[in-house]
Amino acid sequence: DIVMTQSPDSLAVSLGERATINCKSSQSVLYNSNNKNYLAWYQQKPGQSPKLLIYWASTRESGVPDRFSGSGSGTDFTLTISSLQAEDVAVYYCQQYYSTPHTFGQGTKLEIK
Amino acid sequence: EVQLVQSGAEVKKPGESLKISCKGSGYSFTRYWIGWVRQMPGKGLEWMGIIYPGDSDTRYSPSFRGQVTISADRSISTAYLQWSSLRASDTAMYYCVRQGAPDTMSWFDPWGQGTLVTVSS
Repeated sequence: DIVMTQSPDSLAVSLGERATINCKSSQSVLYNSNNKNYLAWYQQKPGQSPKLLIYWASTRESGVPDRFSGSGSGTDFTLTISSLQAEDVAVYYCQQYYSTPHTFGQGTKLEIK
Repeated sequence: EVQLVQSGAEVKKPGESLKISCKGSGYSFTRYWIGWVRQMPGKGLEWMGIIYPGDSDTRYSPSFRGQVTISADRSISTAYLQWSSLRASDTAMYYCVRQGAPDTMSWFDPWGQGTLVTVSS
């Protein structure tokens, strides 16, 4: 299985400031034949189902605010929230869909400082 | 609108069997892999397995193989997650998820509302 490791486990950021969450995979999730990284990011707010934010490591899902961005390739990835809003308080998960089982990171809890 | 609607919360005793459901609508049910994700109380997301309703090809996580059965009924656009003998450790929220792209494994979108399963004597 590919192991996904997120850092940090929790993060407190002031409103309007940048939040950065990292995700590392135990093996590359870059598929050479199409040059795509098989990596997604999800947001789970308290009491809600998770919601897709980003796929192919950097493609924002329709309707997701542009303050959310994804970057990285191979084994190292980052989710950045450029200017934290109160409604961004949530747990964020990365997931690889390169090979089954499509494992998730352990989650990063984002709070307001 | 693409929707996944799951069956309601369940309270069971250890050793009992259970089958929960997930009905898909607003898309071609047979063309998208549909799967299940477990979230134990206060914990993270765990990928359990997926099924391609077009031909019933099913993949399980090694952690869940033999513990649960995933199936689908194309005629009513419904996927299932089944236990033959529940344990207290099966207490969790279970999410039904659809793959985001047709005919291939991909990210999960959308997610169902979740089915809370409580196993207690």
